[in-house]
Amino acid sequence: QSVLTQPPSVSGAPGQRVTISCTGSSSNIGAGYVVHWYQQLPGTAPKLLISGNTNRPSGVPDRFSGSKSGTSASLAITGLQAEDEADYYCQSYDSSLSASYVFGTGTKVTVL
Amino acid sequence: QVQLQESGPGLVKPSETLSLTCTVSGGFISSYFWSWIRQPPGKGLEWIGYFYHSGGSSYNPSLKSRVTISIDTSKNQFSLRLTSVTAADTAVYYCARQIPMIVPRTGGAFDIWGQGTTVTVSS
Repeated sequence: QSVLTQPPSVSGAPGQRVTISCTGSSSNIGAGYVVHWYQQLPGTAPKLLISGNTNRPSGVPDRFSGSKSGTSASLAITGLQAEDEADYYCQSYDSSLSASYVFGTGTKVTVL
Repeated sequence: QVQLQESGPGLVKPSETLSLTCTVSGGFISSYFWSWIRQPPGKGLEWIGYFYHSGGSSYNPSLKSRVTISIDTSKNQFSLRLTSVTAADTAVYYCARQIPMIVPRTGGAFDIWGQGTTVTVSS
């Protein structure tokens, strides 16, 4: 069971803005560990979308943005496009007794 | 451009050992951590562990007693061994390059992934 919780699904029409939350605790996001985000298109490997809470790797469109506050982080997609339909995962480090790199539960984004 | 490719048996019998290899091309196994991550059918991602070129390793506590990750620098490969497998170990297994945690901002991110290989545990 993941220690980072995401909504199972979000949806929006083309052009709209959607946000995905990633809720953690004082042993991971709240402890100051950075959050990374991945996009997984159907049948493919995950791709790094946002690193270090807010940074977009080269080639990632600027309509993807990340933020972090307290024990949570968020991914926003503005100007939603059909090709954004995918699963999205947050990832951080958890320093509890079971210290480990951890992924969020995942969110399916559907473009209506 | 660094690329990763997993290889190994797609079918493993219960109680036996799962062995996979990841070949790194376009770069050398140095200065990064080399990880394995898995995804059971229809489920989310689970970090298995990493090994780095100077010989250190770290494993997911939930799998630590059954996992070994090693590196063969002469072949530019790293490998995963998971012992005493059960049906719960059925998953797509990905190898990935991980940025060391000490790197500001991006540390801890998995920046390059292999395409994944499906492993089914069944008799």
